[in-house]
Amino acid sequence: NAGVTQTPKFRILKIGQSMTLQCTQDMNHNYMYWYRQDPGMGLKLIYYSVGAGITDKGEVPNGYNVSRSTTEDFPLRLELAAPSQTSVYFCASGGQADQPQHFGDGTRLSIL
Amino acid sequence: AQSVTQPDIHITVSEGASLELRCNYSYGATPYLFWYVQSPGQGLQLLLKYFSGDTLVQGIKGFEAEFKRSQSSFNLRKPSVHWSDAAEYFCAVVATSGTYKYIFGTGTRLKVLA
Repeated sequence: NAGVTQTPKFRILKIGQSMTLQCTQDMNHNYMYWYRQDPGMGLKLIYYSVGAGITDKGEVPNGYNVSRSTTEDFPLRLELAAPSQTSVYFCASGGQADQPQHFGDGTRLSIL
Repeated sequence: AQSVTQPDIHITVSEGASLELRCNYSYGATPYLFWYVQSPGQGLQLLLKYFSGDTLVQGIKGFEAEFKRSQSSFNLRKPSVHWSDAAEYFCAVVATSGTYKYIFGTGTRLKVLA
């Protein structure tokens, strides 16, 4: 009964480093999403995917990349980490576009 | 473009008191509407949703919400708050056509006094 699993839970990066945030879901959902959450700002959509091989930009895609080679996995890549990318990142999935989303527990990322 | 406003950043209530969290949206038609709750260090959990039909919807943990088309509102209510309800609450809308992207409000943080 895993649902949406995100790894790692915490990470500290230096400016300019790169990393991949992992997201896996076991509900066979077509739709997957990446959000960032900053204090007082709610959730902002970074990228989303409507199925394997199909991705699209959300509100705040700059500095990030995604891929969707399988239904289960939707990794988020930071190529050149910047302090402005310090945030909590949430992955979510949904069976249909208008259905409730299931969220992972988040990855807290600090860039120093 | 659609948008969501949660006018209250923080709300403090006493345990056992009633609660109402406000949510207003902007959209040309009736969107799909959701309320989520986030406990510290966790992801968001769905409380309830409105798609169509009865404008008063029941959710988990004793919460309910009422859709009012004339006011473009979807306020969340609970008759008697428990200390475990302390969390952050997010209203979200999804357009009923087009990209179906979620738009979240900025959240309301609820504090419960014993």
